[in-house]
Amino acid sequence: QQQVKQSPQSLIVQKGGISIINCAYENTAFDYFPWYQQFPGKGPALLIAIRPDVSEKKEGRFTISFNKSAKQFSLHIMDSQPGDSATYFCAADPGSTLGRLYFGRGTQLTVWP
Amino acid sequence: DTAVSQTPKYLVTQMGNDKSIKCEQNLGHDTMYWYKQDSKKFLKIMFSYNNKELIINETVPNRFSPKSPDKAHLNLHINSLELGDSAVYFCASSRGTDGYTFGSGTRLTVV
Repeated sequence: QQQVKQSPQSLIVQKGGISIINCAYENTAFDYFPWYQQFPGKGPALLIAIRPDVSEKKEGRFTISFNKSAKQFSLHIMDSQPGDSATYFCAADPGSTLGRLYFGRGTQLTVWP
Repeated sequence: DTAVSQTPKYLVTQMGNDKSIKCEQNLGHDTMYWYKQDSKKFLKIMFSYNNKELIINETVPNRFSPKSPDKAHLNLHINSLELGDSAVYFCASSRGTDGYTFGSGTRLTVV
């Protein structure tokens, strides 16, 4: 059972455009929602994260939008650059002290010049 | 100053062999994990240890055995390797509900 559903599986965006990746969850116990960025040959790296007490968090060109009632959250990459080409994973944590993350299946983003 | 380091980076071995992957973190985190990433990039948790105690043991064949000698180290030993074990294995660590820090992965190829 996939705890976190992520879409699209792949995304191609022109340089300067906006990349949008969506995730949905069912478990209302989730209270921490990070996004990870993975380049080929590297491990996933924490990009940005949000807790459900806010509806939006912005760090530079990256923004998480969170809709608690719909149980959805999304990553927006503004002014997408070729260097943003990577696989992006959303995740959710049920809030125990043991930090157990459930990952989405990933989105392969390609930004072409 | 690598935060989570795992060795080796690449491992090519024949079916039936036994191999180990080592992981060390210098972040002072109290929880460590092993994840398997398949060819479709899906990240699947295998094990998690908190202060040397096994916390999560997902449905993993008992050919896989984790060992945590101290809270900074989590090793993975695999017996009787099979072709289906070929994947990238990631070690990670975290403190409580903060985000994970991943190692750079070990690409295991079983031939």
